[in-house]
Formats: sequence, structure tokens, C-alpha cells
Amino acid sequence: DAKTTQPNSMESNEEEPVHLPCNHSTISGTDYIHWYRQLPSQGPEYVIHGLTSNVNNRMASLAIAEDRKSSTLILHRATLRDAAVYYCILRDGRAGGFKTIFGAGTRLFVKA
Amino acid sequence: DARVTQTPRHKVTEMGQEVTMRCQPILGHNTVFWYRQTMMQGLELLAYFRNRAPLDDSGMPKDRFSAEMPDATLATLKIQPSEPRDSAVYFCASGLRSGTEAFFGQGTRLTVV
Repeated sequence: DAKTTQPNSMESNEEEPVHLPCNHSTISGTDYIHWYRQLPSQGPEYVIHGLTSNVNNRMASLAIAEDRKSSTLILHRATLRDAAVYYCILRDGRAGGFKTIFGAGTRLFVKA
Repeated sequence: DARVTQTPRHKVTEMGQEVTMRCQPILGHNTVFWYRQTMMQGLELLAYFRNRAPLDDSGMPKDRFSAEMPDATLATLKIQPSEPRDSAVYFCASGLRSGTEAFFGQGTRLTVV
């Protein structure tokens, strides 16, 4: 399974943008890049995913490098409720590619 | 609002006892995952099913753990006998197909004393 590398922690000020990086140099052509986050005392929740093109949704944006070896999750205006552990994961898009392996993630601290 | 439901939310048991954790996946989802989370190991994938058939349970200690899907609306994870090192939060998740998102339950916090 292709692995991802993320910083252990990051800090942000409230209402400022946050850029959470992820390296995945061994990504294969069929791997989707997924981001999940886990708020305290809750299960992980889906944030966003993409394959090659940048993606936007109501929660965040995902910027994918042209060679797909890295990606960045962008929170446009961090709030205190965004303080969580953010996981970058690769999931095989082929039929039967359901295996989802979590790494250590990045713990995001948001300061008021 | 469709969600994955796990029961019980909390369980305290004595070492050696059998523990059964239940998960109701989102209706129509054909993939179910079981994860275990501890401070030391983070989120570990124990097993996952597609269309009720086990696809991979290599992350699960086979001697004491078993996972089944008796029907499409119920997944179970059993530990027999339980040990203190099994204390963790166990998450169930369900999804529709590869490449799309998985939806997680609230977890079962297991404490084995």
C-alpha cells in the first residue's frame, strides 16, 4: 500500500487560511487522494477527495501537484471547530480497492 | 440523516469475558470496515467486508477476534477471551464502492480490566 507523510502538528490562527501538506511519492495511477479529519471523541469524518484535478467543496479545497506526488488540504478560514487530526490517505480506485489505511495524521491547533 | 450506528457506545468488562460489538452500516452500503484506535498505534484497520464477504482480515488477531456480517444490516466484531491490551475505541465504517468516502460510526470504547 502506498504511504503518505504528514507533519505531526500545525498551528493556525482563527479566521486565517490553513494549508495542510501531504507527501505521497509512491502513489499509483489508480490511487485517489482522500482527506479525513477526526474531532475529539468522534469517529473520523470525510473531508474531500480527488484524483488529478483540484477539488473544492463546502468544507475545504484540495490542491494536487501535477506529478501527484503531493497534495495540500486548504481550509480557507480556520475556526476553533476545525481543531482536529487531519489524515491524508490513498485509496485504490480499482474495483475491490477498498482498503483504507490511516497514518498518524496532522494535529491542527487553532488559536483564537 | 443516514449514519453508521454502533452499539454499545461504552463497554467495561473483565479479562477473559466475551465481548461483542455491533455495527449497523448505512442502508445500501456494500462495504464495511472495522478499525481499532489506541493512543500508541493510532487507527488500525482490523478487517473489511464487501457484500458481506470478508475481503481482508489480516489486521485482526485471529486467535481471539472474529468479524462477521450475518446480514446486510448488521456487522459484528467479537473478542473471546478479552484481554486488557484490547482496551481501545473500535470504529465501524461503511461505504458504497472503492474510491468513494467511508462513513464512520461514533465508536465503541472498550475497557478490559
